[in-house]
Amino acid sequence: EVQLVQSGAEVKKPGESLKISCQGSGYSFNTHWIGWVRQVPGKGLEWMGIIYPDDSDTRYNPSFQGQVSISVDTSSRTTYLQWTSLKTSDTAMYYCARRNDYNWNDQVVDSWGQGTQVIVSS
Amino acid sequence: QLALTQSPSASASLGASVKLTCIVSSGHTRYTIAWHQQKSEKGPRFLMKVNSDGSHSKGDGVPYRFSGSSSGAERYLTISSLQSEDEADYYCQTSETGNVVFGGGTRLTVL
Repeated sequence: EVQLVQSGAEVKKPGESLKISCQGSGYSFNTHWIGWVRQVPGKGLEWMGIIYPDDSDTRYNPSFQGQVSISVDTSSRTTYLQWTSLKTSDTAMYYCARRNDYNWNDQVVDSWGQGTQVIVSS
Repeated sequence: QLALTQSPSASASLGASVKLTCIVSSGHTRYTIAWHQQKSEKGPRFLMKVNSDGSHSKGDGVPYRFSGSSSGAERYLTISSLQSEDEADYYCQTSETGNVVFGGGTRLTVL
């Protein structure tokens, strides 16, 4: 069974740094892209970026480029989303999601982590 | 540019059927999409993927009354015999290599 288990909720102050995690199990971790998705309260799903664990190839949504960084540790099957200086506008729920690539035009998210709530407040 | 368009809201009566639509952008009409369900205060759940030829493949435990189909640039999610627990937001999603795209979501109200 594919499982993505995320780290727990965080409460931080503006300007602080943060790294949240997502551990995958039950599938070939290195050969599936893992992405991060933001959901601000009351709004839709926003793709932030995606990483291929086997070679750490990372692609970012231009809206999030330079605002966050995505990394991976294949030895622990864990993907990370990191901020160096949080803003109050980073307050949101963050989900990791596995993408399954069947073909060039058949690439779908088929598994989700449970979500990590991040609250940034002074 | 790869994009997905969904109507913001839909409603149908308990026990009825409803068909939600996701429109794939021009030039990408052969792309497969996935449907995800998100209930209030919960995380998203993968329901199924729908190919351009109309075939679909459901996730584990997805009830029989959920089905997918396709016509041209449109991908559909049909829910029959609506239950109160089907009230949720439904998102479609697709991808190309370094880019993942979500539709804006459709809020389904069960009357």
